[in-house]
Amino acid sequence: RKEVEQDPGPFNVPEGATVAFNCTYSNSASQSFFWYRQDCRKEPKLLMSVYSSGNEDGRFTAQLNRASQYISLLIRDSKLSDSATYLCVVNISPNTGFQKLVFGTGTRLLVSP
Amino acid sequence: DTGVSQDPRHKITKRGQNVTFRCDPISEHNRLYWYRQTLGQGPEFLTYFQNEAQLEKSRLLSDRFSAERPKGSFSTLEIQRTEQGDSAMYLCASTPGLADNEQFFGPGTRLTVL
Repeated sequence: RKEVEQDPGPFNVPEGATVAFNCTYSNSASQSFFWYRQDCRKEPKLLMSVYSSGNEDGRFTAQLNRASQYISLLIRDSKLSDSATYLCVVNISPNTGFQKLVFGTGTRLLVSP
Repeated sequence: DTGVSQDPRHKITKRGQNVTFRCDPISEHNRLYWYRQTLGQGPEFLTYFQNEAQLEKSRLLSDRFSAERPKGSFSTLEIQRTEQGDSAMYLCASTPGLADNEQFFGPGTRLTVL
């Protein structure tokens, strides 16, 4: 079983749609959680951190369920510019200062006009 | 540009040759990471430096791989006797000292081993 599992997609949605991505992780000792965005042939960039209380940044909402070891990302009112691969990322290091990030395979999103 | 830079951006080599990649992190970042990413996969952790000390190495980092960060600034990743399976994007990331800071990635070096 992979440490971080995501549906690779692609998810094809029209502009304005709401889309949700899910991710599960296997290491119950995981410390922190993130969504990174990666455009085609570019480097990953942090989209948002994910907290147990849930957090929102504009059109993006992230949720964490530690009991189910499940992370989600919701994108509302999709824009063409949201087309990218969304990487679910888990920090499995117990050491402060050192992040041992485990990345999922990514979920590809295609937003069409 | 004050972001993470990597050189070269592309490298094509023949099997059995040695290659070396360079990463220049953001100047005030004392923590530096190397990752490998293959097509359709997320990045995989290879190694971690805090200043000049290499503190963590993945089991993915075979004896043919070596990384250094001699003065705690730029880092190099060397692959000896390259194999076709080494073909991948090699990404470098840096972060300041706090545990859950964002990792800032460089543009990567794409290695093709023929």
